[in-house]
Amino acid sequence: GQQLNQSPQSMFIQEGEDVSMNCTSSSIFNTWLWYKQDPGEGPVLLIALYKAGELTSNGRLTAQFGITRKDSFLNISASIPSDVGIYFCAGPNKDDKIIFGKGTRLHILP
Amino acid sequence: EPEVTQTPSHQVTQMGQEVILRCVPISNHLYFYWYRQILGQKVEFLVSFYNNEISEKSEIFDDQFSVERPDGSNFTLKIRSTKLEDSAMYFCASSGYGGMEETQYFGPGTRLLVL
Repeated sequence: GQQLNQSPQSMFIQEGEDVSMNCTSSSIFNTWLWYKQDPGEGPVLLIALYKAGELTSNGRLTAQFGITRKDSFLNISASIPSDVGIYFCAGPNKDDKIIFGKGTRLHILP
Repeated sequence: EPEVTQTPSHQVTQMGQEVILRCVPISNHLYFYWYRQILGQKVEFLVSFYNNEISEKSEIFDDQFSVERPDGSNFTLKIRSTKLEDSAMYFCASSGYGGMEETQYFGPGTRLLVL
């Protein structure tokens, strides 16, 4: 079935660094969603992308919908401690159910 | 800001017991969802519910699972006879309208541990 592959699996960065993570699929997605999950909390939608090539920002976060519709990336600029968490990409599969990637776990070193 | 709430936050149960997980979606929302996240793994869709009936369900959502909206505010997930592999975090979500353009708001989750 359709799957979303996220990389890297985890990242350790210094506060203030920029972060980039991506999500790929072997099949086309028409919508890409990026969620953040804080420890012990439910996922929160960060950015939704609806058109191939679309580049959307939300504060320090920027996400792009790949031209091939098989990938998307999420960038975080000037990371801060509260950026710690798991970042999931997600999208509706052919049955219109949201499927999630396995997540990229972001750690910020003191 | 309105939010989805879930109770209990944690539940420990013996294998074979029934559990009911409760959710109060955002009050004017029409679509309701349950998701499951096994520890350290990705979030998985279980079921969506609209107009007092299931609209979609995944293969995980077998006969042991059921959902109900018993009144105007609660949305429940029942697991009839829990198995060890049902141990997971269960998230409820709601949205105003269906479709991927509409943001689904997630609750904080119920952590279920089956012993």
